[in-house]
Amino acid sequence: DAGVTQSPTHLIKTRGQQVTLRCSPKSGHDTVSWYQQALGQGPQFIFQYYEEEERQRGNFPDRFSGHQFPNYSSELNVNALLLGDSALYLCASSSSVIQGWGEQYFGPGTRLTVT
Amino acid sequence: GNSVTQMEGPVTLSEEAFLTINCTYTATGYPSLFWYVQYPGEGLQLLLKATKADDKGSNKGFEATYRKETTSFHLEKGSVQVSDSAVYFCALARQGTYKYIFGTGTRLKVLA
Repeated sequence: DAGVTQSPTHLIKTRGQQVTLRCSPKSGHDTVSWYQQALGQGPQFIFQYYEEEERQRGNFPDRFSGHQFPNYSSELNVNALLLGDSALYLCASSSSVIQGWGEQYFGPGTRLTVT
Repeated sequence: GNSVTQMEGPVTLSEEAFLTINCTYTATGYPSLFWYVQYPGEGLQLLLKATKADDKGSNKGFEATYRKETTSFHLEKGSVQVSDSAVYFCALARQGTYKYIFGTGTRLKVLA
């Protein structure tokens, strides 16, 4: 059973560029959340997608946007990259059906470096 | 607002020592509480959870008890191993929301 997968593993971009990160949820999961983890910090919630819609959003600017596809996979897009966007981006999936509140499974992350 | 505060690291212990990593939280209502572990180069893995007051979560020798009166969820292990070296994150999730709020993490280093 494949867990949460993310691509690419590493990415280097230049300030002002745009980037797209991808996530495939764990089999049987229909909900995807995205987090930003700066070096030495805990993950910060960006947003969550369910039924192809953004269900909840954290304190991130509109430069951060996402999408969920009918197969439940998801993309995170960041426009007009800033140096401060350099971080590990984590995707987490969960099931809306399984009881037991809130258990999320995390992928290995995409390390984004903005120069 | 909602927040999680963890003890500063790094914590360095000898193998078989007793471990405590403190975690306190601020939240309205009755949040669920979690401990996640992050090994080098990997994503976060759920270690244990508790969904209501006085619940005790346990896994792989680790334990934490949801203490509403002290708003705490301290992580303990009776005898640590070198393989427990990792970063440990305490997190909460409020009922009716979908986001986790994480602490800043505590790095544990266990020496043989």
